[in-house]
Amino acid sequence: SQQGEEDPQALSIQEGENATMNCSYKTSINNLQWYRQNSGRGLVHLILIRSNEREKHSGRLRVTLDTSKKSSSLLITASRAADTASYFCASSNSGGSNYKLTFGKGTLLTVNP
Amino acid sequence: SAVISQKPSRDICQRGTSLTIQCQVDSQVTMMFWYRQQPGQSLTLIATANQGSEATYESGFVIDKFPISRPNLTFSTLTVSNMSPEDSSIYLCSVGSGDDGEQYFGPGTRLTVT
Repeated sequence: SQQGEEDPQALSIQEGENATMNCSYKTSINNLQWYRQNSGRGLVHLILIRSNEREKHSGRLRVTLDTSKKSSSLLITASRAADTASYFCASSNSGGSNYKLTFGKGTLLTVNP
Repeated sequence: SAVISQKPSRDICQRGTSLTIQCQVDSQVTMMFWYRQQPGQSLTLIATANQGSEATYESGFVIDKFPISRPNLTFSTLTVSNMSPEDSSIYLCSVGSGDDGEQYFGPGTRLTVT
């Protein structure tokens, strides 16, 4: 079954506004990661939150994790046109040397100048 | 973080032929991964490739269709065999890093099968 369902599927905002994307997953996780993909190219790792963490910040990014609801959110503050990309959550349900990730369907974010 | 390159970056292939995609990493890594991303879709893991052992394939992917080589700790290849238009996708390799398993991705190979 598909893990990691993001919503919304697409989001269009104006530069300077905040963008919030949500992700749900179905099984217990070790950590949850967010990635960005520009125009069908390779993915860039943005931020990782462990299962025992509730919130994490990195620059303009804020990630929350609610393990009771099996959900996470990614907030991008003060968005820029360069933030236009697809954003994917990915859950890792094993630690150690496995590293296997299950990706969600992604949110296409468009930031209009 | 690791720097990963892939060759070719894109290709257009005829139905029934095979294409081998190369993935090169600038440092030694234990685990490498191959993903498929169909048009407008998310990433699906094809297989995990460890050096010195057979690749581990995910459900729905078989070695005859997607043979993988991992001859050393910095290189891997994925072959897409007997291609059909349904194989048109972006194929990405990645490497695992750190204790938490974050991954670093190559730029992808965009394959079109006609």
